Amino acid sequence: DVKVTQSSRYLVKRTGEKVFLECVQDMDHENMFWYRQDPGLGLRLIYFSYDVKMKEKGDIPEGYSVSREKKERFSLILESASTNQTSMYLCASTPPGESVYEQYFGPGTRLTVT
Amino acid sequence: EDQVTQSPEALRLQEGESSSLNCSYTVSGLRGLFWYRQDPGKGPEFLFTLYSAGEEKEKERLKATLTKKESFLHITAPKPEDSATYLCAVQATDSGNTPLVFGKGTRLSVIA
Repeated sequence: DVKVTQSSRYLVKRTGEKVFLECVQDMDHENMFWYRQDPGLGLRLIYFSYDVKMKEKGDIPEGYSVSREKKERFSLILESASTNQTSMYLCASTPPGESVYEQYFGPGTRLTVT
Repeated sequence: EDQVTQSPEALRLQEGESSSLNCSYTVSGLRGLFWYRQDPGKGPEFLFTLYSAGEEKEKERLKATLTKKESFLHITAPKPEDSATYLCAVQATDSGNTPLVFGKGTRLSVIA
C-alpha cells in the first residue's frame, strides 16, 4: 500500500522561528510536492522535486525553501516563520515518467505561527 | 493559463438525494483529470483518473464522467459518510511530469 508520512500532525511555532516540515514516502517515487491549503484558496503548490538534489518553484515559493537529500524524503523549510504562514501543509508524491499518475498525499501538518 | 473551476462551492443533500458536482477546466491539452475526496483535517484521498472525453469510472455510489470541457462527479443515493470535500485536478500535456492544477473543491454535506 502507498504511504506518505509527515513528521507532525500539529505544530505551533513563534514568529521568526525556523521551521522544518518533513515528508517521507515509501514507494520509491521520484516526484514529490509541497502544497499549502487555506480556506477559500484551495491547494497551492509551493515547491516540487523530480529527483534527489533537484527542486522547482511552484506558485507561491516566497518565504519557503526545500531540501531533497534522499529520494524518499522531501523537507519544507520556513526560514523565518510569519503569521501568514499559518496553514495546512500537504506533501504528495508520484512515480516518475511521462505517464499520468495520481498524486498520493500525506495526512497533512497543521501549522500555527503565533 | 491552466484553470479548474468547481461548482457549487457547497452542497447540502438529504440522504438518498442524488446529485452531481461539476469541474470545468481550461488547459492547453489534457493529460489526465483527477478526483479526490478530502475529509476535514486530513490529506486528499485519490478516487479516479479520467483520460479522454467520454470516459466514465465508478466506485460504489460515485461515478465520474468527462467531456472536453468539464467533468461531473455523480453521487447516487448518498449516505452521511459521503460527506467530505471533493477536489478536482488536471494535468496538462506539457512535456515532462507537470504538476497538477487543483480546483477549490466542493464541500458536500449529506444529512440523515
